[in-house]
Amino acid sequence: EDKVVQSPLSLVVHEGDTVTLNCSYEVTNFRSLLWYKQEKKAPTFLFMLTSSGIEKKSGRLSSILDKKELFSILNITATQTGDSAVYLCAVEETSGSRLTFGEGTQLTVNP
Amino acid sequence: DAGITQSPRHKVTETGTPVTLRCHQTENHRYMYWYRQDPGHGLRLIHYSYGVKDTDKGEVSDGYSVSRSKTEDFLLTLESATSSQTSVYFCATAGTARNTIYFGEGSWLTVV
Repeated sequence: EDKVVQSPLSLVVHEGDTVTLNCSYEVTNFRSLLWYKQEKKAPTFLFMLTSSGIEKKSGRLSSILDKKELFSILNITATQTGDSAVYLCAVEETSGSRLTFGEGTQLTVNP
Repeated sequence: DAGITQSPRHKVTETGTPVTLRCHQTENHRYMYWYRQDPGHGLRLIHYSYGVKDTDKGEVSDGYSVSRSKTEDFLLTLESATSSQTSVYFCATAGTARNTIYFGEGSWLTVV
């Protein structure tokens, strides 16, 4: 059974801090790993990672995948209160075309 | 935004009644999914579809059925709602390349 584990489950930081969110996975036929940000409603897409060692970057957010060790990290630098959200990690398998999600990391950024 | 509309957005229903949630998309995406989201469990796949009339079960499919008679619509039915099905339900879609998966705004269902 596919499994995705995120850590920490909850994190409280101050504005300006840098945070690292972790995602480890076990999946039979790995295709991609995705990161989403969820505020009050629908998850919104951040990154899709398919290759090891290639960093994806968008503004203050970046992410990298290690397919050998089966994990990914999401970094957020110079955090802002608007970064407060649940960050979801999901893995997609090649067959069955479905995503398995982790529980998410609740990030709270205090002013 | 992939043009996904879920209806109803909010519903309160009684135990034992049937409920149907609708997901409508305008992007002609091949893949459609129904997830439920609960505290402590994250997002869990209920059913998914990889084409018209082609559906398969996810990890929490018991008590749910789906139908996809048209590309744009994916219906989730609770034949006889139970309190354990109180949840937020998200529809999601992906195109053939599956480069990304888009989510609808969610349907909040309360079974009393």
